[in-house]
Amino acid sequence: GEQVEQRPPHLSVREGDSAVIICTYTDPNSYYFFWYKQEPGAGLQLLMKVFSSTEINEGQGFTVLLNKKDKQLSLNLTAAHPGDSAVYFCAVTLSYQGGRALIFGTGTTVSVSP
Amino acid sequence: GALVYQYPRRTICKSGTSMRMECQAVGFQATSVAWYRQSPQKTFELIALSTVNSAIKYEQNFTQEKFPISHPNLSFSSMTVLNAYLEDRGLYLCGARDGGPYEQYFGPGTRLTVL
Repeated sequence: GEQVEQRPPHLSVREGDSAVIICTYTDPNSYYFFWYKQEPGAGLQLLMKVFSSTEINEGQGFTVLLNKKDKQLSLNLTAAHPGDSAVYFCAVTLSYQGGRALIFGTGTTVSVSP
Repeated sequence: GALVYQYPRRTICKSGTSMRMECQAVGFQATSVAWYRQSPQKTFELIALSTVNSAIKYEQNFTQEKFPISHPNLSFSSMTVLNAYLEDRGLYLCGARDGGPYEQYFGPGTRLTVL
């Protein structure tokens, strides 16, 4: 089945620097992609959803790129600030039985120091 | 807006006992509900996907005998962890969809501690 590899597992950056997280998936039929943020002790906060027809998406303080050729999805935190410290997960949808569940990446712990 | 509530938020049970957790969708119809588990220091594993009018599909390593799920209507789902042991510790998330093509709405999770 679908495998989603996420790297790096840990990322330490200084405030104002950028940080890039990359996910590589295996199923070429994957067509919806998501980035989630999990703060300590909390559930998942959706950062952005990306559809296969869109390659570049910009959010508030970050950019998401989808490279379908290489089956890669990346999250670029621009000008990181301490509030960005969290665990980030990418996720990919599969479709079966009429519903869709998510396959999650392994997570990246981001620490932003002042 | 679409919201998903989960109860309880935290629970502690003794090894070998069972506990039930609930997931409630508000503001949309939960045509499919997926249950996930995040074990300590790990990512989210899909346990099973329940779609209205279809059989519940369990992922490898998860069984109905261990994690029975009920999805009786378009706003509610529950899952029980039977005979819980240490390896069942973690955060259990439910993600519900309304049949559209977009993302699942996640609840805040039920954190299970097994003593």
